Amino acid sequence: EIVLTQSPGTLSLSPGERATLSCRASQSVNSNYLAWYQQKPGQAPRLLIYGASSRATGIPDRFSGSGSGTDFTLTISRLEPEDSAVYYCQQYGNSPRTFGQGTKVEIK
Amino acid sequence: EVQLVQSGAEVKKPGESLKISCKGSGYSFTNYWIAWVRQMPGKGLEWMGIIYPGDSDTRYSPSFQGQVTISVDKSISTAFLQWGSLKASDTAMYYCARLGEVGSTWSPFHYWGLGSLVTVSS
Repeated sequence: EIVLTQSPGTLSLSPGERATLSCRASQSVNSNYLAWYQQKPGQAPRLLIYGASSRATGIPDRFSGSGSGTDFTLTISRLEPEDSAVYYCQQYGNSPRTFGQGTKVEIK
Repeated sequence: EVQLVQSGAEVKKPGESLKISCKGSGYSFTNYWIAWVRQMPGKGLEWMGIIYPGDSDTRYSPSFQGQVTISVDKSISTAFLQWGSLKASDTAMYYCARLGEVGSTWSPFHYWGLGSLVTVSS
């Protein structure tokens, strides 16, 4: 089973700042099948990024994904107050699919 | 519009059985895998398993194999998650989600239901 480790655990930044979230896999993710989800309190997760770097439908271009192999990054270029949420990475290239433990982004 | 409508909150006692549902609409139900995801209180997301409504092919995470049963009734476009004997540790929010590509398991979860809260308490 691939273990995904996300860092940092919590990120506290001001509006307009850049957020960089990391997701490291215990072994290489097949075909870079790595996704990022956003979950706000009391809501279901929402797909942001798939295939490591492709934005899902309707996702603002301030969200971007990069990386390959075992190291992946989600970048939020200019934080908005509504970006306050927990962000999860997920690999779907190996069985079983697994999620990281999440990074909480707080907006000051 | 793709929609996944999940059944409502449940409160059960340890040892009771339960079956929750997820009804898909707005797309060809039999052509896309459906996943179930657990989120325990204050915790992260856990992938439980997936099912293909077209032929009921089912894959489980080793962590959930034997603990739950995933099934589908394609005549009513509905997937199910069931327990034979609930434990307090089954208390969680359970989400269903639809994979993004026709017929493929190698896809992220593009669409999510709102979740079904299951509380198991004596």
